Amino acid sequence: SAVISQKPSRDICQRGTSLTIQCQVDSQVTMMFWYRQQPGQSLTLIATANQGSEATYESGFVIDKFPISRPNLTFSTLTVSNMSPEDSSIYLCSVEKSGSYNEQFFGPGTRLTVL
Amino acid sequence: DQQVKQNSPSLSVQEGRISILNCDYTNSMFDYFLWYKKYPAEGPTFLISISSIKDKNEDGRFTVFLNKSAKHLSLHIVPSQPGDSAVYFCAASSGTYKYIFGTGTRLKVLA
Repeated sequence: SAVISQKPSRDICQRGTSLTIQCQVDSQVTMMFWYRQQPGQSLTLIATANQGSEATYESGFVIDKFPISRPNLTFSTLTVSNMSPEDSSIYLCSVEKSGSYNEQFFGPGTRLTVL
Repeated sequence: DQQVKQNSPSLSVQEGRISILNCDYTNSMFDYFLWYKKYPAEGPTFLISISSIKDKNEDGRFTVFLNKSAKHLSLHIVPSQPGDSAVYFCAASSGTYKYIFGTGTRLKVLA
């Protein structure tokens, strides 16, 4: 398994500001993923971050709004830019377990509230 | 368009009895299905999975059943324990890393 930590665990932010969420893994992984869980909704994939390449965004998500960095094999950041109350969600990072078909491990999540 | 649906938002079961959580999907291209469990303030943790070439997978108290013709899968927990109280998500993928999640079912096991 992989141990994943996220910072911050929660934050309350003002409309129009930006927040950067950090994700740290205890082992080197190729693929890292960022998800969003809006209140009462399912987890939705925002983007996939591979080290050394641009993140791949899912439909409905754009780099200007959710810029992602992946500087090495154990770390990634997701920035939520120019926030509005609709961005209030839990943001989770996950990693794919190498050698295991499609099994992903999730971080504890960052609960974001935008006022 | 919700491709993976969990129609029961909540379920209450007595300790020791069977818990059955259901999940329906619409995309026939899905070939791998997973169940995750989520406690408050924690990320989802992997529970059990099943490939589309199987119709049953068992791991201890947890069994997942897949009915491809009905596009339906279910998670059985026997016997249910209070520590099983959590939100359960089913997820599906079609041969890639991309998961499609259901909205979750909150299970409460009553002591």
